[in-house]
Amino acid sequence: AQTVTQSQPEMSVQEAETVTLSCTYDTSESDYYLFWYKQPPSRQMILVIRQEAYKQQNATENRFSVNFQKAAKSFSLKISDSQLGDAAMYFCAYRTLDSNYQLIWGAGTKLIIKP
Amino acid sequence: DAGVTQSPTHLIKTRGQQVTLRCSPKSGHDTVSWYQQALGQGPQFIFQYYEEEERQRGNFPDRFSGHQFPNYSSELNVNALLLGDSALYLCASSLDTGWDSPLHFGNGTRLTVT
Repeated sequence: AQTVTQSQPEMSVQEAETVTLSCTYDTSESDYYLFWYKQPPSRQMILVIRQEAYKQQNATENRFSVNFQKAAKSFSLKISDSQLGDAAMYFCAYRTLDSNYQLIWGAGTKLIIKP
Repeated sequence: DAGVTQSPTHLIKTRGQQVTLRCSPKSGHDTVSWYQQALGQGPQFIFQYYEEEERQRGNFPDRFSGHQFPNYSSELNVNALLLGDSALYLCASSLDTGWDSPLHFGNGTRLTVT
């Protein structure tokens, strides 16, 4: 079965510090896309960052970067210089060529930013 | 440029009733996907519509059905509502240029079944 595991139900970080959210996944496919989405109280899922599995270089988007370890099937998200607006639920997800129409999601990590 | 819009925002229904949720995709998008997000969980894929046809379906019963109109907007219908159908229903649109086409989500419809 294709699964995504986010082992941290909740994380907290001091404003301006760095936090890392963990994600592991299970797929037998060799090529796939990995995503981190943010869901604030407004409920809208917002794409934070994405990574294609065959690309070895880790993706970065401003303060957001990933540590992609394909052999370990690990895809963690690092948020640098945390801001109050980063507080939200963060979901890890992936899409394979075989299931190219659907995203497989983790259960999410609630990120709390302490001022 | 309007993003994905969903209506209504909230809905309360009784067990056994039927409900219709609506979604207008982002301008220029032709593909609509529906997801169910139960409280405290990640979204689960219901189905996707492209060219007015259901292209792929997740593990949901036939009580869940949908439709896509020529203007690419979409409806999700749920018949014979169960308490377990209470959830946030998310609509996502994309441009069918391939499996790397990013999804854009609406704010969802919160359905409560009593």
